[in-house]
Amino acid sequence: KNEVEQSPQNLTAQEGEFITINCSYSVGISALHWLQQHPGGGIVSLFMLSSGKKKHGRLIATINIQEKHSSLHITASHPRDSAVYICAVSVRGSNYKLTFGKGTLLTVNP
Amino acid sequence: DADVTQTPRNRITKTGKRIMLECSQTKGHDRMYWYRQDPGLGLRLIYYSFDVKDINKGEISDGYSVSRQAQAKFSLSLESAIPNQTALYFCATTNGGFGELFFGEGSRLTVL
Repeated sequence: KNEVEQSPQNLTAQEGEFITINCSYSVGISALHWLQQHPGGGIVSLFMLSSGKKKHGRLIATINIQEKHSSLHITASHPRDSAVYICAVSVRGSNYKLTFGKGTLLTVNP
Repeated sequence: DADVTQTPRNRITKTGKRIMLECSQTKGHDRMYWYRQDPGLGLRLIYYSFDVKDINKGEISDGYSVSRQAQAKFSLSLESAIPNQTALYFCATTNGGFGELFFGEGSRLTVL
């Protein structure tokens, strides 16, 4: 079993829909990262969080440490949001190790 | 200029050739990482470095070596490339253990 599981693996939405991508992890963590990777492109950090909730524009990330679960929400989705979204955790007690989920491929149709 | 620059962006080579992928960063970060991305497997750590004198193996270091020439530069070498090293390689940096991650644009390597 992977230490970081994302769901769904693939998600197709219509422009304007509210999107939720989930990340569950099985290890103790010091922080959780949400990353975005456009097709053929590099990887960009969206959020780093260790508790609560963060918001940036139309993106919202939440984390529940007790339940070992995080969600990434996109409000009013747009075709330019189409990308792979990757969850990664900094494993507590291992100050180098990041463990990555396999990513969620989001396609937003106009 | 990008915060993290990787060269080359694309490379096709033959089995047995030596290949070097270079990474430079302008963030002034101490920590640098090399990851490999394969379809369906996610990102996996090859090597990491906390400063110029500190080099550590990651989970898939066999067949690879690295050099931290300066705080800003971290190179990955494949001494004798093999086809299963065909992948997308990413360099990343962070400031300390819990800082934001900054990735390069990736280097796509094909070994024939």
